[in-house]
Amino acid sequence: DSGVTQTPKHLITATGQRVTLRCSPRSGDLSVYWYQQSLDQGLQFLIQYYNGEERAKGNILERFSAQQFPDLHSELNLSSLELGDSALYFCASSRTSAARFSSYNEQFFGPGTRLTVL
Amino acid sequence: GESVGLHLPTLSVQEGDNSIINCAYSNSASDYFIWYKQESGKGPQFIIDIRSNMDKRQGQRVTVLLNKTVKHLSLQIAATQPGDSAVYFCAENMADRGSTLGRLYFGRGTQLTVWP
Repeated sequence: DSGVTQTPKHLITATGQRVTLRCSPRSGDLSVYWYQQSLDQGLQFLIQYYNGEERAKGNILERFSAQQFPDLHSELNLSSLELGDSALYFCASSRTSAARFSSYNEQFFGPGTRLTVL
Repeated sequence: GESVGLHLPTLSVQEGDNSIINCAYSNSASDYFIWYKQESGKGPQFIIDIRSNMDKRQGQRVTVLLNKTVKHLSLQIAATQPGDSAVYFCAENMADRGSTLGRLYFGRGTQLTVWP
């Protein structure tokens, strides 16, 4: 158990819909990262928040957005869903914001949310 | 496109043998590399990392080797056990210029299967 929790575990929805995925970081971690894992694209970094502020963006679509709340939990919002959005969505957390070498920067991954768009 | 890739998508070894998983990267500016293990139904789990100013780092039963000349990274697992069966990913950090922030880019993964 990494200490990172994600809900829901599974989500099935239809094209065009909007969903919200939730992540609670490990206690004391200020950074939250979102990743998408699909069969054809592998594990891709989407976005990072640190202490409530967006810090880095990766391959995140404009239909997707995220935020980190004062209690440090984060939500990933996916809208106008398409079949290709079906994937595993992982949240990870780390103590600090930097991704450079440091034991404080180790990212701990949650169990993921499996999204299926029909 | 991806700058991190893997030489082999699958690797099968006998229990007790040593395993070597390879990874190639193309960005010479990457300064930090990490190996993750992902078991079925779980999120990736950190195994070991290495800075670009090192060429070798050892952990418990695992060793990571970095060859910057050919931009190659490998993970060696000694005395492989059935519990080591998983997908292994290498990830590289591409630091933004002038910033301590960076982003992790993952390879596609190698499926390691350990036979008893």
